[in-house]
Formats: sequence, structure tokens, C-alpha cells
Amino acid sequence: QKEVEQNSGPLSVPEGAIASLNCTYSDRGSQSFFWYRQYSGKSPELIMFIYSNGDKEDGRFTAQLNKASQYVSLLIRDSQPSDSATYLCAVTLSNSGYALNFGKGTSLLVTP
Amino acid sequence: SQTIHQWPATLVQPVGSPLSLECTVEGTSNPNLYWYRQAAGRGLQLLFYSVGIGQISSEVPQNLSASRPQDRQFILSSKKLLLSDSGFYLCAWSPRQSNYGYTFGSGTRLTVV
Repeated sequence: QKEVEQNSGPLSVPEGAIASLNCTYSDRGSQSFFWYRQYSGKSPELIMFIYSNGDKEDGRFTAQLNKASQYVSLLIRDSQPSDSATYLCAVTLSNSGYALNFGKGTSLLVTP
Repeated sequence: SQTIHQWPATLVQPVGSPLSLECTVEGTSNPNLYWYRQAAGRGLQLLFYSVGIGQISSEVPQNLSASRPQDRQFILSSKKLLLSDSGFYLCAWSPRQSNYGYTFGSGTRLTVV
């Protein structure tokens, strides 16, 4: 069974702080890694993807990947109340037409 | 630009009734298509994926089936719904041979009563 593990939270951070979200995965064949944001009652939306070890920055978001440790993280700088949502980590499934295996998500609450 | 349409938005069905959910994609050709289910308090579960017309792969054995009668149309069906089929059903697409993640439709919230 290929697993993607996330802490369910809730993770509570004050407005303006850095939120750190973590994810581990079991399938060493996974090549691509994604972070989605899902507001309550809505469908997930893609925030970032990362393929190579190291950091990738996009605005207030930074994704970090360590394939040796099978670990992916997402940092959100200057967190805003509008960032309050569930963040889903996803990794590609080997030999499945680029299908993604999702973690259960971490709930983030940014307090004013 | 590409858009994905999914309907209906909400559905309440009795146990034992049939189901048909439809998803269509516009503005692209030969997309990969996916059906996911998100049950209350659970993660996104991959149900089916398709890399072409008539090509359906099932990830979870259950009483659901999927079909792709046209290039940009993906249908999820059931002959007899179970209570456990309740959940948020999401269709998604990605470009063929692309590894940039995919875009979800707005979802169908199904309640089986």
C-alpha cells in the first residue's frame, strides 16, 4: 500500500507568521510532488509542484523536497486569514497515467 | 483556455438507485481523466483514470464503474447505490504525457439515503 502521510492538524498560526506543512510518502518510485489547497466544501486547487530535491519558491509559498528522506514540505510566509484551508500533499503513482496519490490533508487556521 | 465541467453539484439518492455523474473538458484534446471520491473525514481516493477513449483503469474494487465514450467526456456510474457511496465526487484532467498536476472540476456532493 503506497502511503502519503500528513498531520491532520489543525495547525494554528498567527497572521503574518510562517506556516510549515509537512508530508512523507512511501513510494520511492514517485517522481513528482504537489501541494493543493482545499477550502471547505470546494474542490482542491493546485498551489505548487516540485520535481527536484531542494527548494522551489513561488510568491509567499516555498516547496521543499528531500527524496532520500521521502519528505516534502510547504512553507507559507506572511500567512493571511485567507490561507485558512486544508492543504493536500500529492505524489505521482508509479505506472498509473500520472495519477496522484493524496494525503488526507493538514488543516491550517490563520488567526488575525 | 481549458475548462472542466462537472454535474450535478449536489445529489440525494436512495439506496439501491442508479447513479450517473458526468464530466466534460473543453479546450484541449486527448486529456488524461480521473475520478476521485472524498468521503467525510477521509482523503481523496482515486477511483478510475483514463488515458484515452475506452481505456479505463480501476484503482478500487467496488460497485462503481466508469466509461469514456468520447475523448473529453468521462462518466461515473453505479447500478445500485450503497450508503457507503456517499461522498464528494471529483473529476480531474491533465494534459496527455504531462506531469504538472491536474485541474479538478467543482465536484458533486452525493448523499445516499
